[in-house]
Amino acid sequence: EAQVTQNPRYLITVTGKKLTVTCSQNMNHEYMSWYRQDPGLGLRQIYYSMNVEVTDKGDVPEGYKVSRKEKRNFPLILESPSPNQTSLYFCASSLTENYGYTFGSGTRLTVV
Amino acid sequence: DQQVKQNSPSLSVQEGRISILNCDYTNSMFDYFLWYKKYPAEGPTFLISISSIKDKNEDGRFTVFLNKSAKHLSLHIVPSQPGDSAVYFCAASGDAAGNKLTFGGGTRVLVKP
Repeated sequence: EAQVTQNPRYLITVTGKKLTVTCSQNMNHEYMSWYRQDPGLGLRQIYYSMNVEVTDKGDVPEGYKVSRKEKRNFPLILESPSPNQTSLYFCASSLTENYGYTFGSGTRLTVV
Repeated sequence: DQQVKQNSPSLSVQEGRISILNCDYTNSMFDYFLWYKKYPAEGPTFLISISSIKDKNEDGRFTVFLNKSAKHLSLHIVPSQPGDSAVYFCAASGDAAGNKLTFGGGTRVLVKP
């Protein structure tokens, strides 16, 4: 089944403790992206990647890092999480043209 | 300042009637627009899109209309079904691949049987 898989689905952590949210897609998509969803703000793009080793900042990149060493994986790294990063995170991937993103099921992160 | 706005946070409609969801944008560089549907505990799913060279795109019960001069797009669902109850997000980008999508805040639709 074609899908985007994120792990974990739920995560509670403490301020400052580094964490990684994994994302993997099995559709051979070139484009991948991370979003966070907050009430009233919709989904805001954190980082995106156009191909292996090619990444760029989205609208809210502060406090996040990403890497794209392989086409299928696009992990999101929070080096020193803070409470304002408590949110619902979505990973997504897409083909190159005229396709909407396919989203993962989301990771609900709470930073205390 | 939000570049894509959905001014109605919620919409309630009777089964079988038309649902109309609206979306406004401010960035004139946007040339590709998408609608996503989201159920609780799931990721958004792509619904329908429209390029700025068109003013209408139809897919089954879903039609998206684009008014570039007004910087406004709308999604029509006809007829509405209970399974359409979800949150709908409009999104815009400056390229067809939609790499850098800007989303609106979402509209929660409730279709009553």
